Amino acid sequence: DVKVTQSSRYLVKRTGEKVFLECVQDMDHENMFWYRQDPGLGLRLIYFSYDVKMKEKGDIPEGYSVSREKKERFSLILESASTNQTSMYLCASSLSRGPYGYTFGSGTRLTVV
Amino acid sequence: AQKITQTQPGMFVQEKEAVTLDCTYDTSDPSYGLFWYKQPSSGEMIFLIYQGSYDQQNATEGRYSLNFQKARKSANLVISASQLGDSAMYFCAMRGSYNFNKFYFGSGTKLNVKP
Repeated sequence: DVKVTQSSRYLVKRTGEKVFLECVQDMDHENMFWYRQDPGLGLRLIYFSYDVKMKEKGDIPEGYSVSREKKERFSLILESASTNQTSMYLCASSLSRGPYGYTFGSGTRLTVV
Repeated sequence: AQKITQTQPGMFVQEKEAVTLDCTYDTSDPSYGLFWYKQPSSGEMIFLIYQGSYDQQNATEGRYSLNFQKARKSANLVISASQLGDSAMYFCAMRGSYNFNKFYFGSGTKLNVKP
């Protein structure tokens, strides 16, 4: 069964900490994405990557960075966590062509205290 | 600009009845794809159904069908014979042709199926 795996289901971090959220896919997908999900706002794109070492900003990149050193792994980094980054973070991957949707991970619920 | 609108924050439906979840979209791309996802309380997003903008027929997948009205820019999800396990958040999403890699999501509809 194809999968997108997020390393943590729940995380609690302190304000100012550097936080790493990891995502791994086993489908050889070119594209990988990080979204955050907040009630009433739906999913908002933070960053995405369409190839190794390539990245593009999404709609809300401020306060985040990403790393893609290998095709299967896409990391989201919160350089200095703040309470307004408390959210559900969803990783997804997809092929570059064809009528295919995203395959999502199960999400990481991050709480910054 | 691309935009997806879901105007129903929450809905109730009786078990075994059909329910329609609304989705309208706005795009200037000549071709695009429309998707529906289900998110149970566990958090994982599950792909349900896809409709291409040039598809002649409405998409169907088991109990899910997509009522696609291109001129009205609507892509409503119809769930027939609702089950208790259908209780979840439902998101409509669109992918355009100019930026094929990027999806746009609506704010979601919370569906509650009553026994």
